[in-house]
Amino acid sequence: AQTVTQSQPEMSVQEAETVTLSCTYDTSESDYYLFWYKQPPSRQMILVIRQEAYKQQNATENRFSVNFQKAAKSFSLKISDSQLGDAAMYFCAYKGDRGSTLGRLYFGRGTQLTVWP
Amino acid sequence: EAQVTQNPRYLITVTGKKLTVTCSQNMNHEYMSWYRQDPGLGLRQIYYSMNVEVTDKGDVPEGYKVSRKEKRNFPLILESPSPNQTSLYFCASRTTGQIGKLFFGSGTQLSVL
Repeated sequence: AQTVTQSQPEMSVQEAETVTLSCTYDTSESDYYLFWYKQPPSRQMILVIRQEAYKQQNATENRFSVNFQKAAKSFSLKISDSQLGDAAMYFCAYKGDRGSTLGRLYFGRGTQLTVWP
Repeated sequence: EAQVTQNPRYLITVTGKKLTVTCSQNMNHEYMSWYRQDPGLGLRQIYYSMNVEVTDKGDVPEGYKVSRKEKRNFPLILESPSPNQTSLYFCASRTTGQIGKLFFGSGTQLSVL
């Protein structure tokens, strides 16, 4: 099975600063998708950003961007100009594109982000 | 409004008492899935369904059953709940497009005493 590793259980950042959350994954597939989800205290799962593995260009969504390193199997999330509302649990996730992993979504264990005023 | 509706949001039960957590989506999505979330373990997939009458096991299917008789509904059944099934459960759905956005329900916090 594919594994997704988030090596930072907790991170903190000062408001307006930049923080990077790490994610690595293990796969033998060449086509797949990667996601970052945010879970605030409300428990709602919110999609932050997604990346197709066949795209070399890193995805960006406003203050959120990723650093996708396919050869290194690394998919980090950078949050710029951090805001208090960014405080949440962040999950990295992997989805295969064919075969037995087509319907599967694998999550990391999460990184709890605290934002200090 | 496009949404995935889970019920109940909170449930306390006792060991061995059968229960069903309902999940319904109004987006005509083919794909639906159940996850459980435990502290320090992230979300783990229990079962998923690519379409009506098609279900497959995820990573942690033991002790759970699902059915997909209609496209919109995907209930999760615990025939004989045990304390190790105490968890936060999420239902989700999406289109079967390659990168279809996953829509999550609001979660069900289950406690089995």
